[in-house]
Order: sequence, then structure tokens, then C-alpha cells
Amino acid sequence: AQSVSQHNHHVILSEAASLELGCNYSYGGTVNLFWYVQYPGQHLQLLLKYFSGDPLVKGIKGFEAEFIKSKFSFNLRKPSVQWSDTAEYFCAVNNYNTDKLIFGTGTRLQVFP
Amino acid sequence: NAGVTQTPKFRILKIGQSMTLQCTQDMNHNYMYWYRQDPGMGLKLIYYSVGAGITDKGEVPNGYNVSRSTTEDFPLRLELAAPSQTSVYFCASSPRPGTGSVPEAFFGQGTRLTVV
Repeated sequence: AQSVSQHNHHVILSEAASLELGCNYSYGGTVNLFWYVQYPGQHLQLLLKYFSGDPLVKGIKGFEAEFIKSKFSFNLRKPSVQWSDTAEYFCAVNNYNTDKLIFGTGTRLQVFP
Repeated sequence: NAGVTQTPKFRILKIGQSMTLQCTQDMNHNYMYWYRQDPGMGLKLIYYSVGAGITDKGEVPNGYNVSRSTTEDFPLRLELAAPSQTSVYFCASSPRPGTGSVPEAFFGQGTRLTVV
């Protein structure tokens, strides 16, 4: 069955620290990959997405992610976090065969000034 | 452009009651999804639909039903509410994959449901 794993459940950083959140998925076929962000009390918003082409994708607010097919990974990175990045981050995978959009369990990021 | 609209925003149900969570999208998306979000569990897919008249079970369908009579609407029905269904429910829609665009999902604002 298709699944998505996020290894970090809760990350605490100081402002200006670098961030990397792990995401691995189980499906071996053609997939679309996403990172969504949920700010406190709000709904999910798209940060970035990978469809094909350059495996390093850039999203909004300085976030980027790298698709490594051989590792089934799609890790999210940001060189220098800000207090306003405090939120919950979800990795998601959509594959062409099942039409399902499956989410990981999320990573709660807290950034302190 | 309203996007994905969910109603109600909040609801308290008694055990055994039934209710329908409404979801409407105005983007002409083929795909629609219902998720529930519980602390530490992420989003779990309840049901999804790839077009009008077509629905399929997700990861946690028990206790729920859906219908998709139109492209725009995808209501979620709880027939006999149980405390385990206390959660935040999100509806989402996306274009069909392979239509020349990445199927980014657009989410509604959510419905916070408490069953007591």
C-alpha cells in the first residue's frame, strides 16, 4: 500500500538555523510529490511540488525540496528559518495508478526568536 | 473565486446522531477528497472521487458515506456519530493528473466536529 513517512515529528529551532525535514514514500511508480504547510488555525497551503524535470524544486518563502528517486525521498529544506515559519508541515504523494493523495503524519516546527 | 467551501465550520453532535458535512468547489476540478486530521496522525484519507458518479474508499472509510452527484459537490455523511469521529475534517479538490498541470490540491477551511 502507498504510504508516506515523515521522520521528524517535532522540531524546535532558533531563528536563522537551517532546516531539513525528511519525507520518504513507498510507491515505486510515477508520482507527484508535495509539501504543504498548515499555520496555526488555518487550512493547508501548498509550499512546493514536484512533477518531473529538475529534482531540486523551489517553493514559496525560501523553501526548497530535493527529489531523490533512488531513495524514495523528498526532503524539505530552508537555509535560515524565521519565527513566522512556525507551523505544521506535511509531505504528500499522489500516484497515477490509484488516484489517491496520501499525506504523512506531519512535522510540527517551532521557531524561537 | 471562492475555491473550496466547507460548511459548517463547527458542530457538536451527540452520540448516535447523524449529519452531513458539505463541500463545494467552483474550480471545475474532477478530483475531490475528504480527510480527517487528528493530533499526531496527520491527514487520513476517508473517501475520494475522481468525477461525478464515482467514489472510492480511502484509508479510514468506516462510519462515513459520500456521494458525488455533481462535479461541484462532495458531501460527507456520518450516519451514527461516535466519539472516535471527533476530529477536524478537510475537503480538498484537484485537477485530474496528466492534464498538463500538476494536481495540486486546494483545501477548504475545515470543519471541527465534536461528538459527545
